[in-house]
Amino acid sequence: EAQVTQNPRYLITVTGKKLTVTCSQNMNHEYMSWYRQDPGLGLRQIYYSMNVEVTDKGDVPEGYKVSRKEKRNFPLILESPSPNQTSLYFCASRSEPNPGFYSYNEQFFGPGTRLTVL
Amino acid sequence: GDSVTQMEGPVTLSEEAFLTINCTYTATGYPSLFWYVQYPGEGLQLLLKATKADDKGSNKGFEATYRKETTSFHLEKGSVQVSDSAVYFCALSVQARRTSYDKVIFGPGTSLSVIP
Repeated sequence: EAQVTQNPRYLITVTGKKLTVTCSQNMNHEYMSWYRQDPGLGLRQIYYSMNVEVTDKGDVPEGYKVSRKEKRNFPLILESPSPNQTSLYFCASRSEPNPGFYSYNEQFFGPGTRLTVL
Repeated sequence: GDSVTQMEGPVTLSEEAFLTINCTYTATGYPSLFWYVQYPGEGLQLLLKATKADDKGSNKGFEATYRKETTSFHLEKGSVQVSDSAVYFCALSVQARRTSYDKVIFGPGTSLSVIP
């Protein structure tokens, strides 16, 4: 089954304790992204990756790190979490648009990780 | 900058009622437009999309037409069901600066509850 998986699904932690949220996709997609969802703000992109070893900042990258050492995995790292990072996090993946003409390929989302930082 | 505005709700409708969720956007160039749906406890799923002006996206009885002149992409369904209860996000894709990457910008979401 084609899917994006995230772990853990729920996490409660304390300020300053490093954590990693894993994301894995089995569709051989080139593009992967991390979003956070907050009430009234919709989804905001944290980081994205266009392929292995190619990552870039999204709209709200402060306090987060990512890596893309393998095509299928795109972990999100919070080196020193703070309470304002309490949120619902989604990983997503999609295939690279076909060259020559524009087509936005469907983005597949993971089930989400609810993070609470005390 | 590029942005999406949509009615936030919550919207509560009776089963078989007509649904409209308004969405307007601001963007440079010619964005693609999307509606995503998020069922309780799940990630987002693409509901429908339109890639150019006057295109109509449709899926599962939902429809939306890309209106360039009014910069709108309103979501409609003629007869909602209890199973349509979810959060609906309007979104657009734009070319990011400096790279060939096309990013998606989401609206704040509209919560829909359909009661029997």
